[in-house]
Amino acid sequence: NAGVTQTPKFQVLKTGQSMTLQCAQDMNHNSMYWYRQDPGMGLRLIYYSASEGTTDKGEVPNGYNVSRLNKREFSLRLESAAPSQTSVYFCASSGQSYGYTFGSGTRLTVV
Amino acid sequence: RKEVEQDPGPFNVPEGATVAFNCTYSNSASQSFFWYRQDCRKEPKLLMSVYSSGNEDGRFTAQLNRASQYISLLIRDSKLSDSATYLCVVTTTDSWGKLQFGAGTQVVVTP
Repeated sequence: NAGVTQTPKFQVLKTGQSMTLQCAQDMNHNSMYWYRQDPGMGLRLIYYSASEGTTDKGEVPNGYNVSRLNKREFSLRLESAAPSQTSVYFCASSGQSYGYTFGSGTRLTVV
Repeated sequence: RKEVEQDPGPFNVPEGATVAFNCTYSNSASQSFFWYRQDCRKEPKLLMSVYSSGNEDGRFTAQLNRASQYISLLIRDSKLSDSATYLCVVTTTDSWGKLQFGAGTQVVVTP
């Protein structure tokens, strides 16, 4: 089925470990986004990529890096995980309209 | 102050009843408005866009009040399957594609 695929679905990291969250979309969308969702906070934009080859910081970029590998793929990297990065991470993509399609999310716990 | 604010609820609604709730936004330059639905531990999904003249989609009615800077969602003849968190989403003229999410209003429909 067409959509946004995120991996992994669950991850537990120790403080200081690194990891990359993968995201791929097959809808030929230009724009891709990484959000985190914390209780009572709503979704907050970490980084986005308006088109292939470009990336920009969102509201909460500290502690993260991204790579827009090609039009389909947009990865999020945590170089040195901290407990404050415990969250649910969503990747999303959008085309000409404003509607987003979200991936199913990654539940990350940093201990 | 958050850019998009919602009553977190929960709104407990008997099956078949009507429920309505609002969302306020702080940026007067906000241009586009949406309601997303998020089921427990799932990704958000677009429910409906909100147009200036108000719009309906089946049992759901959305209204926009630009003067008072709020949007509303009304659900008629509530079904058990309407139980979810409803996210208010706005975007501004200078942030194409970057959506601002409210923290959500939880609706619980009871038999």
